[in-house]
This record gives sequence, structure tokens and C-alpha cells, in this order.
Amino acid sequence: EVQLVESGGGLVQPGGSLRLSCAASGFTFRSYWMHWVRQAPGKGLLWVSRISSDGSSTIYADSVKGRFTISRDNAKNTLYLQMNSLRAEDTAVYYCARDTGGYSGYDPFDPWGRGTLVTVSS
Amino acid sequence: SYVLTQPPSVSVAPGKTASITCGGNNIGSTSVHWYQQKPGQAPVLVIYYDSDRPSGIPERFSGSKSGNTAALTISRVEAGDEADYYCQVWDSSSDHKGYVFGTGTKVTVL
Repeated sequence: EVQLVESGGGLVQPGGSLRLSCAASGFTFRSYWMHWVRQAPGKGLLWVSRISSDGSSTIYADSVKGRFTISRDNAKNTLYLQMNSLRAEDTAVYYCARDTGGYSGYDPFDPWGRGTLVTVSS
Repeated sequence: SYVLTQPPSVSVAPGKTASITCGGNNIGSTSVHWYQQKPGQAPVLVIYYDSDRPSGIPERFSGSKSGNTAALTISRVEAGDEADYYCQVWDSSSDHKGYVFGTGTKVTVL
């Protein structure tokens, strides 16, 4: 069974840092692009970042560029999101998701993990 | 930045048909995907590449696209279809390439 399990969320003060992890199983992790998507409480989905299968290419939403870093360890089947200079508006559930294509950007996300909650507050 | 506009809410009686629209510039030139999200759960892909249906998704779910509008149609609506639905595209047209989700539509089964 394909499975994605996020961890690392919690309460952090504004300006602080946090690293999220996403453990993948049930598929050949190193063959797939991966994404982080977030959802603020009561709000819609917002794409955060994407990483290529070998980790050599990354892109970010403007709202997190320069503060967040996506990475992966294919030997450990794990995706990461390093979040620095956190702001109150970064408060959200963070989901990891698998890109079904990995070539063009035109492919859907499937499956998604259950998410991990990040709360930025003093 | 690229915006995908959806109606905030759609109400439908059981057994009837619900249609959710997703509007955006040049949406006709890209692939549209649809996700269902029930309260407290992760999103689930229900339609991809405009009109394809993943295995395990009922045939009652269908997708279409015309001009600058895509649509998700749910036929013979059931109580279990009550959820938020989001469209999504890859925006390669701007200097800030990225993935865009629609504003979301809450489907309420009366």
C-alpha cells in the first residue's frame, strides 16, 4: 500500500524554525517528484514546494521562497521541509503528496499524507 | 498570480446532480485535476487530466472542460459526497511557475 506519513509539526514562536518529515512507503520513492501543500485553518489548499526525483531541482511558492527549503533522502525514503523565519501566517496543516508524473508539471498529486499541524504563535 | 475561481458552495438534494465550475485564464491549454476533501481528512484525487477517473472513484464523478472553464459533475449525489472540492492546474505561463489550487467549493447534500 502506498503511504505517506508526515511528522515534525508543533508549536513554534514567530521567527523560529521547524523541520517537517514525510516518510514514504509502498512505492519506489526515488522515482517520483514530491510536493508540500499547506492548508491554513478553515482555508483552502496552497501549494508550497516541489522537488525532483533526484533532488536536483526545486521550486517554491513566492510566499515561502527564501525561508523554506525542500529536500529529500532517497536512501531513507523521506521528504523534508525546513521552515525558517516562521510567521503567524505560516500556521497550517502541511501535507506531503506524490507527483504522479515527474516530467512536465501537468500531472496530479496522488496520494497525499494525512498532514501535520504547524502553529506559529507566541 | 494565476487564479482559479470556484463557487464557494453548492447545495444538492440526494439523487440529483451537482456541478462545480473552475474558471481561469487559458485553462483550456492545461490539464485540470480535481480533489475531494472531507472534514479532517487529506485530499483525494477524483478526476485527473480534465476527465479521467482514478480507479476506485465511482463513475458518478465526471470532469469536462470548455473554453476557460472546467467542471466537475457528480451524478446521483449521495450523502457521502458531502465535502470540499478543489480544482488544480500547473501554471507554466508566468515567471513564477507553480501549482495553483482553486478557491474550493463546499458541496452540501440537503
